[in-house]
Amino acid sequence: DIVMTQSPDSLAVSLGERATINCKSSQSVLHSSNKKKYLAWYQQKPGQPPKLLIYWASTRESGVPDRFSGSGSGTDFTLTISSLQAEDVAVYYCQQYYSTPLSFGGGTKVEIK
Amino acid sequence: EVQVLESGGGLVRPGGSLRLSCAASGFTFGTYTMSWVRQAPGKGLEWVAVISGSGGSTYYADSVKGRFTISTDNSKNTLYLQMNILRAEDTAIYYCAKLIGAGSSGWVDYWGQGTLVTVSS
Repeated sequence: DIVMTQSPDSLAVSLGERATINCKSSQSVLHSSNKKKYLAWYQQKPGQPPKLLIYWASTRESGVPDRFSGSGSGTDFTLTISSLQAEDVAVYYCQQYYSTPLSFGGGTKVEIK
Repeated sequence: EVQVLESGGGLVRPGGSLRLSCAASGFTFGTYTMSWVRQAPGKGLEWVAVISGSGGSTYYADSVKGRFTISTDNSKNTLYLQMNILRAEDTAIYYCAKLIGAGSSGWVDYWGQGTLVTVSS
């Protein structure tokens, strides 16, 4: 089973500053046949279901602001919020879909400093 | 517009049973992998069960294997989760989730609002 580990557990960032969230998989989620990275990112605000932000590690979902970006290699991934806005306060999760059982990271809580 | 709407949550005693339903609309139900994901109070997300669009493939988290059964009724565009021998640690919000993108796997592009299951005496 692939274990997803996120860091930090929480971070506080000033408005307009950059927020960086890390996600590490216990084995590569880069598929050799198509060179795609089987990694998604979600945002969850209090009292709401998660919302898809990014899939294939770096493809932004339609309607997601371009201040959100994803990057990474086969096992180490990053979600970056380039200029934090008040509405970005949330918990962020990574998820691998390379193999079953699917798995989420433990989440990173982003707050305003 | 795609919608997935859960129902069936509630309070149940340890050892009891409950069946969750998820009514789907706005897409061709039988062609997508569907899933149940749960979130215990104040905790992170946990996959519970996944079923392929054809219904031919299912898998379960180890924590629910042998107790929970995922199924679909394509004639009713509905996903189910039969939960038996419930334990206190099954207490959570259960989300219905539509998957896309990677065969019988993938990421979630639509989530329901969730239904709360509380297991307590």
